[in-house]
Amino acid sequence: DGGITQSPKYLFRKEGQNVTLSCEQNLNHDAMYWYRQDPGQGLRLIYYSQIVNDFQKGDIAEGYSVSREKKESFPLTVTSAQKNPTAFYLCASSTLVDNEQFFGPGTRLTVL
Amino acid sequence: AQSVTQPDIHITVSEGASLELRCNYSYGATPYLFWYVQSPGQGLQLLLKYFSGDTLVQGIKGFEAEFKRSQSSFNLRKPSVHWSDAAEYFCAVRAGGTSYGKLTFGQGTILTVHP
Repeated sequence: DGGITQSPKYLFRKEGQNVTLSCEQNLNHDAMYWYRQDPGQGLRLIYYSQIVNDFQKGDIAEGYSVSREKKESFPLTVTSAQKNPTAFYLCASSTLVDNEQFFGPGTRLTVL
Repeated sequence: AQSVTQPDIHITVSEGASLELRCNYSYGATPYLFWYVQSPGQGLQLLLKYFSGDTLVQGIKGFEAEFKRSQSSFNLRKPSVHWSDAAEYFCAVRAGGTSYGKLTFGQGTILTVHP
């Protein structure tokens, strides 16, 4: 089955620790995206990548970092510099043609 | 920059009633528009999309949306709502230019269905 996987589904970390969220896709999509979702605020774009070894900041990139070493993988690191990291994080991918984005199931991060 | 407004934060309908969720966008060129649905704690699923052509777009699960350029709107409709339609709905517009490929989402509309 083709799709996007995110792991883990729930993640707990202590304040001050960096944490990496996994995102893998087997849809052969060139573009991948990370969004943050908070209640009542919709989805806000953190980072996106349209090709391996290249990525761009989205609207709320501060306190986050990404890498794109492989086409299939786009991990997101939430650093200790992120002031309010507790949120639901969604990964998506798309072709470069129509940008119909396919979403993973999400990771809920709670920082204690 | 593009933007999307969903004026209704929460809508409640009875099962079997008709539904219309509003979406207004701001974008200088011809927009690419999307409606997504999200069940609690899940990812988003695409309901339908508009790129060009016929302004009435059919989607999955019996949903349709109409693009009205004069009103900058892309409202989602369903003639008869089922209890399983209870979810959060997001409208989105695709950017162009140097931000090619980015989607800008509205704040979402939560749909509650009463039996």
